[in-house]
Amino acid sequence: NAGVTQTPKFRVLKTGQSMTLLCAQDMNHEYMYWYRQDPGMGLRLIHYSVGEGTTAKGEVPDGYNVSRLKKQNFLLGLESAAPSQTSVYFCASRTGGNHEQYFGPGTRLTVT
Amino acid sequence: GESVGLHLPTLSVQEGDNSIINCAYSNSASDYFIWYKQESGKGPQFIIDIRSNMDKRQGQRVTVLLNKTVKHLSLQIAATQPGDSAVYFCAENTDSGYSTLTFGKGTMLLVSP
Repeated sequence: NAGVTQTPKFRVLKTGQSMTLLCAQDMNHEYMYWYRQDPGMGLRLIHYSVGEGTTAKGEVPDGYNVSRLKKQNFLLGLESAAPSQTSVYFCASRTGGNHEQYFGPGTRLTVT
Repeated sequence: GESVGLHLPTLSVQEGDNSIINCAYSNSASDYFIWYKQESGKGPQFIIDIRSNMDKRQGQRVTVLLNKTVKHLSLQIAATQPGDSAVYFCAENTDSGYSTLTFGKGTMLLVSP
C-alpha cells in the first residue's frame, strides 16, 4: 500500500492563478481531510469529507473548494491564489471505526 | 520542514533522558485525544491515543497521561533517542460525531547525543 499520496510536492503560483491539489489513498478509508500548516500555528482544518460525494467546511475554508467524486481521491482547489495561502498543505484519511488519521507527505505551496 | 518549528516551545534533552511534553486542551467535552510526531519535511505520524475514560495509556517507550480536571495531557518518552527529535502535536476531538480533530500548536523536542 502506498498509503496517502499528494500531488504535487511543491508548487509556486502567482497571485490570482488557480490550481488543484490531489490527495489519493489506497486504504479504502471513508474520511478524508485537508489541512494547512503555518509556522507556529499547528495544523488547521480546511475542509473534510465523511464519504464519497460529501464535503464539509473546517476551521479555515475561505478561498478553497473541495470535491470527493471518488472514494479514494480528495481534491483541494484554489480558484484565485493569494499570498496568504502560502503554506504547507497536508491531506489525511481514516476509517469510520478508527479515529487515527493517516497523513500524506505534504505539498509546499508558495504564492508570490 | 524546519519552518514548522518557528516560534514553537522547545524541549531540549540529552540522549537517554526521559522527556515529558505537555499539552493543554480546550474542550472539556472532548473524549478522545491523540499524539502525533512530525519529523522535518514529513507528514505527522500517529504515536498513541487515549479516551477520556482512561487516565493513562502505555505504548512502546511512550506513555500518555490525561488529567481531565485541569484539561491537561502529557506525553512521556522513556530513554529518549536522537531519532525522537521532532515536533509533537496533541489533538482532541471537538465534535460529538468524531469527524474532526483539533490540533495544538506543537512542541519541538531536540535530543542531543
